[in-house]
Amino acid sequence: AAGVIQSPRHLIKEKRETATLKCYPIPRHDTVYWYQQGPGQDPQFLISFYEKMQSDKGSIPDRFSAQQFSDYHSELNMSSLELGDSALYFCASSLAEDSQYNEQFFGPGTRLTVL
Amino acid sequence: AQKITQTQPGMFVQEKEAVTLDCTYDTSDQSYGLFWYKQPSSGEMIFLIYQGSYDEQNATEGRYSLNFQKARKSANLVISASQLGDSAMYFCAMREGDAGGTSYGKLTFGQGTILTVHP
Repeated sequence: AAGVIQSPRHLIKEKRETATLKCYPIPRHDTVYWYQQGPGQDPQFLISFYEKMQSDKGSIPDRFSAQQFSDYHSELNMSSLELGDSALYFCASSLAEDSQYNEQFFGPGTRLTVL
Repeated sequence: AQKITQTQPGMFVQEKEAVTLDCTYDTSDQSYGLFWYKQPSSGEMIFLIYQGSYDEQNATEGRYSLNFQKARKSANLVISASQLGDSAMYFCAMREGDAGGTSYGKLTFGQGTILTVHP
């Protein structure tokens, strides 16, 4: 079965550079979530999109922006990168009207290292 | 206030034995969902089990079961017959505002418990 695809899997950037993370949800899924997991920490919700509209916003810095495109893939744009942005970034997708769990299926994550 | 609390930073269990990972939650919503995810050292997040707040029976999925005590706001994960491959970080998570079949809310995670299975 198709899973959530994230690219790139690993990314190394310098401070003050920009980065773009991409997420391709499971086909037919209409909701995308972004989470940030710092080293040794639990995942923190950043932002979500439902049917290409922002549905919720968490602790996402103003330096970050995201959008969901017409094909439902999503991109997280990060500017003026700081050392503290080094983390594992997860994308998850779900189908808002689903059977039992409305489970969020997580992608493998993008590991961002800021030097 | 912490919405999801996992008080056990680390747990050890012998292979083939059962282990319980604790999770308590805090919400004023009547409808919510509780999830457990496994995160191996490779980093991916693997869904294990789900319990809805209105579910009267405890959820079970193979060797995983969820001991749901609504009045105490606890949702402990029980892993039976532990295997070496169960060694991983385990996260309890909550989705508030569940409407049983139509929900797209964010997950709030606990701090996680590292489980180590000894041979």
